[in-house]
Amino acid sequence: SQTIHQWPATLVQPVGSPLSLECTVEGTSNPNLYWYRQAAGRGLQLLFYSVGIGQISSEVPQNLSASRPQDRQFILSSKKLLLSDSGFYLCAFSTSGMNTGELFFGEGSRLTVL
Amino acid sequence: SQQGEEDPQALSIQEGENATMNCSYKTSINNLQWYRQNSGRGLVHLILIRSNEREKHSGRLRVTLDTSKKSSSLLITASRAADTASYFCATGGGGGTALIFGKGTTLSVSS
Repeated sequence: SQTIHQWPATLVQPVGSPLSLECTVEGTSNPNLYWYRQAAGRGLQLLFYSVGIGQISSEVPQNLSASRPQDRQFILSSKKLLLSDSGFYLCAFSTSGMNTGELFFGEGSRLTVL
Repeated sequence: SQQGEEDPQALSIQEGENATMNCSYKTSINNLQWYRQNSGRGLVHLILIRSNEREKHSGRLRVTLDTSKKSSSLLITASRAADTASYFCATGGGGGTALIFGKGTTLSVSS
């Protein structure tokens, strides 16, 4: 069956420190991968999506970056965190063969920047 | 970009009552999806309705779509305390594009 794993679940980081959130998918090949951010009490903001290895589309200019080093691995990074980077980060995938775009989400990573 | 906007932002009801949430969007769509999010968790897909469908059922869920008004509604019948969550509509997606979510409706069901 298809599963998605995201870690770490919780992270507290000082301003200016680096960030790395990782997401892996199992049970499917060539998934479309997504990073969303959810601020407290807010909706989901699309950050990045990828339709293949090395192919990253950025939706919001910011100090975050994403990489897809392997087919089923998606990484969200920052070299220097800002206070405004705090939030709940969600990784998701869709099956490339399905044209409906239904997303399967990980359990999220809660980032607090102090 | 396409975006759903849910209404109301928050809804409080008693167990056994029905809950109705609405979603409006801006541009033409191929389908519209509803998701649920329990507090502090990831989103879970509930139901998808295609643009050529007007109504769809799944258990206690009923979704309607009115493409002429660019709106959709999610009805949860006979609500339970376990239905307490945030509900989001989403449009777009497919063909390698990304889903765009609304801000959600927070439903609280008290026993």
